[in-house]
Amino acid sequence: AQSVTQLGSHVSVSEGALVLLRCNYSSSVPPYLFWYVQYPNQGLQLLLKYTSAATLVKGINGFEAEFKKSETSFHLTKPSAHMSDAAEYFCAVSPSGFQKLVFGTGTRLLVSP
Amino acid sequence: DTEVTQTPKHLVMGMTNKKSLKCEQHMGHRAMYWYKQKAKKPPELMFVYSYEKLSINESVPSRFSPECPNSSLLNLHLHALQPEDSALYLCASSPDSSSGNTIYFGEGSWLTVV
Repeated sequence: AQSVTQLGSHVSVSEGALVLLRCNYSSSVPPYLFWYVQYPNQGLQLLLKYTSAATLVKGINGFEAEFKKSETSFHLTKPSAHMSDAAEYFCAVSPSGFQKLVFGTGTRLLVSP
Repeated sequence: DTEVTQTPKHLVMGMTNKKSLKCEQHMGHRAMYWYKQKAKKPPELMFVYSYEKLSINESVPSRFSPECPNSSLLNLHLHALQPEDSALYLCASSPDSSSGNTIYFGEGSWLTVV
């Protein structure tokens, strides 16, 4: 079964620093991959998704992710963290054939002044 | 308008109560979903409706009963729940149930079973 693994349950950065959240997928064929953000006490908001059109995907709020087949990775980055980026980030995969999101365990991003 | 609306936002119910969670979208989407999210955990799929028909039931206990009255509405009927069912229940929709479509989530309904 297709799955994703998020390394690091918590990531702490200083405001203005680079944000790097890691996600690796397990799939024999390139899957559909997503990053969602969940702010405290809210639902999930789509940041970006990979559908094989381009390996570098740009999303909202300055985030982007690069699909690397050789590393089976889809890491999320942002050049400069802002306090408002503090949230839970979920990587998710949609197995081919049917729309069913399988989420990673999540990474909580903490941003300090 | 990319919005999925869920009501109520908060619900407290006893173990013998019957209550319902409601979800609405007006994006013309033909697939709708219920996810359950426990504290500090990722969302887990419960049900998928495709063109108003139940297409996936992830072995959810029968005390949870979904209903899709029309293409815009999705309900989750609750009966005889247990305290461990307390969680955030997320409704979502997508254009259809094909793999790769963006799934749009609502804000969720916080359920507490006492």
